[in-house]
Amino acid sequence: AQSVTQLDSHVSVSEGTPVLLRCNYSSSYSPSLFWYVQHPNKGLQLLLKYTSAATLVKGINGFEAEFKKSETSFHLTKPSAHMSDAAEYFCVVSGRTGTASKLTFGTGTRLQVTL
Amino acid sequence: DSGVTQTPKHLITATGQRVTLRCSPRSGDLSVYWYQQSLDQGLQFLIQYYNGEERAKGNILERFSAQQFPDLHSELNLSSLELGDSALYFCASSVGGFVETQYFGPGTRLLVL
Repeated sequence: AQSVTQLDSHVSVSEGTPVLLRCNYSSSYSPSLFWYVQHPNKGLQLLLKYTSAATLVKGINGFEAEFKKSETSFHLTKPSAHMSDAAEYFCVVSGRTGTASKLTFGTGTRLQVTL
Repeated sequence: DSGVTQTPKHLITATGQRVTLRCSPRSGDLSVYWYQQSLDQGLQFLIQYYNGEERAKGNILERFSAQQFPDLHSELNLSSLELGDSALYFCASSVGGFVETQYFGPGTRLLVL
């Protein structure tokens, strides 16, 4: 079985300050992990993905995430928030159950960026 | 623009009815995925097709079915609709399987009255 927990449903930061969105996962197998972003009234866009290569993954728009197996975490960070980063962020785990692949989404973290 | 198209954008229907949602994947992508996003259930994976065949199943109800045609477009059929089926339905596509980047369409917003 696999699951993903996003520890904060809502995060508010000031423009220019760091962003930290937390995600813990559980998986019976070596997981693939993703972060997706959803802007209002838009579809989801992939920010970055981890597939058992480098543990520090760099994505688009200055975001990065670090896979920490010992902590079963995959937190998303950005050094300096921009107003355009305001959106909903989803942590996603992909794994196998038998021969079938399965994708599980977290409940989402809404990021608010203030002036 | 992800290259994935979905029609219609909005759909309003009544309980008990049947609707069909359509998705065209990005050129060259063989996999199509369907997702449901609602306020109470969040974002849930429904089903995946790869090159015309069902590859993986998520939390898809028996009243729902999907298929992928030879030209790789896909349709999601929702029947005996209930109020709780009101949601945003996304289609995504990828070249291969789950570990590959999925590109999402803009979604179809379904309202069941």
